Amino acid sequence: QAVVTQEPSLTVSPGGTVTLTCGSSTGAVTSGHYPYWFQQKPGQAPRTLIYDTSNKHSWTPARFSGSLLGGKAALTLSGAQPEDEAEYYCLLSYSGAHVFGTGTKVTVL
Amino acid sequence: QLQLQESGPGLVKPSETLSLTCTVSGGSISSSSYYWGWIRQPPGKGLEWIGSIYYSGSTYYNPSLKSRVTISVDTSKNQFSLKLSSVTAADTAVYYCARRGAEYDYWGQGTLVTVSS
Repeated sequence: QAVVTQEPSLTVSPGGTVTLTCGSSTGAVTSGHYPYWFQQKPGQAPRTLIYDTSNKHSWTPARFSGSLLGGKAALTLSGAQPEDEAEYYCLLSYSGAHVFGTGTKVTVL
Repeated sequence: QLQLQESGPGLVKPSETLSLTCTVSGGSISSSSYYWGWIRQPPGKGLEWIGSIYYSGSTYYNPSLKSRVTISVDTSKNQFSLKLSSVTAADTAVYYCARRGAEYDYWGQGTLVTVSS
């Protein structure tokens, strides 16, 4: 089974920009992996921020964007807010089976 | 408004089978646009995708769990279910059910299942 790797933790200043990445042990991440990004806060279920690489849900703040960058999926947060402090998970599709990334703890400080 | 609700025992003995049901309300599980999935999260750890099912019964499973997992659907009850056999303490987790179209847009609140004698 593929292993999907994320940065364990990142810190961003309020109003700053941070990019999270999502890599696959099988090689480059492509649009064919339909990358998803989820935000999870303590005690809550995850919620989708980005799907299919760069598509946003209706509730996704405009400051979040998704892309492919250097063979990885990427989530960029531009203009970080205190409420963005959370755990972020990517999810990749491998021919119908899905694999979550290891998760990135984002601290806004 | 679509809602998903997990139900089942909160405590399961080692070597037994964990059984959970997700009841879907406010919409039909037979919609051709969606898969219905199970995800779990051990306490303090990351998310793990378990598997998903289409209303027709077509399934995808996590290869690392495939030998122990069965996901089924009951369209008459608007429910889908998870069975995980031969459980150990490592299967202790919050189990979530979710709907997936192009995105995972609706999730249950999650239910904690503890494996202990």
